[in-house]
Amino acid sequence: QVQLQESGPGLVKPSETLSLTCTASGDSFISDNYFYNWIRQPAGKGLEWIGRIYPNGRTMYSPSLRSRVSMSVDMSKNQFSLKMNSVTAADTAVYFCARWSGYSDDGFDIWGQGTMVTVSS
Amino acid sequence: DIQLTQSPSFLSASVGDRVTITCRASQGITNYLAWYQQKPGKAPKLLISGASTLQSGVPSRFSGSGSETEFTLIISSLQPEDFATYYCQQLDSYPTFGQGTKVDIK
Repeated sequence: QVQLQESGPGLVKPSETLSLTCTASGDSFISDNYFYNWIRQPAGKGLEWIGRIYPNGRTMYSPSLRSRVSMSVDMSKNQFSLKMNSVTAADTAVYFCARWSGYSDDGFDIWGQGTMVTVSS
Repeated sequence: DIQLTQSPSFLSASVGDRVTITCRASQGITNYLAWYQQKPGKAPKLLISGASTLQSGVPSRFSGSGSETEFTLIISSLQPEDFATYYCQQLDSYPTFGQGTKVDIK
């Protein structure tokens, strides 16, 4: 079964751009049948959905982050990526990637382990 | 956006207890609700989707019910491995999560 793994710098300076990658591996790779999501969680707090991308490049972003976020996909590398610009300390969080079938009565069935990103000078 | 409010935010329970967690949506979401379990330092794990469909491998002591604006997660007999934080999530529009319910040992 597919596994997801986030990667990227653990430390980003304020006002700079956060860049993360999620790589799929295992029995199958990034599939046309799934959406791929980014979710974050500040320490001791709840989960916040950031956005999602379909393998054809179609995206949807959280309204609260839309102005600072972009996502892309590279099927040849089995990767999808998140960029968030103009970061502040409020963007410090664990960032997860997760898979979704696209059906509203399904949940996010496979998650990466998460990667901690700290925004600090 | 659709807001989800979980209650309680924290509950203290003993092994063997029946535990009920409620999730209320700010508008009707049909059955487009999922429940997750999260343990410290780990990613959330999908327990239930479509308000009541138990995921493969999830123990049958977990059950979900509800529709539109009110949903419930029940753990029929709490086990030591169930002490965790539980989140509901709606997928009717862009996804949002409840604030979480931490289940702690009494």
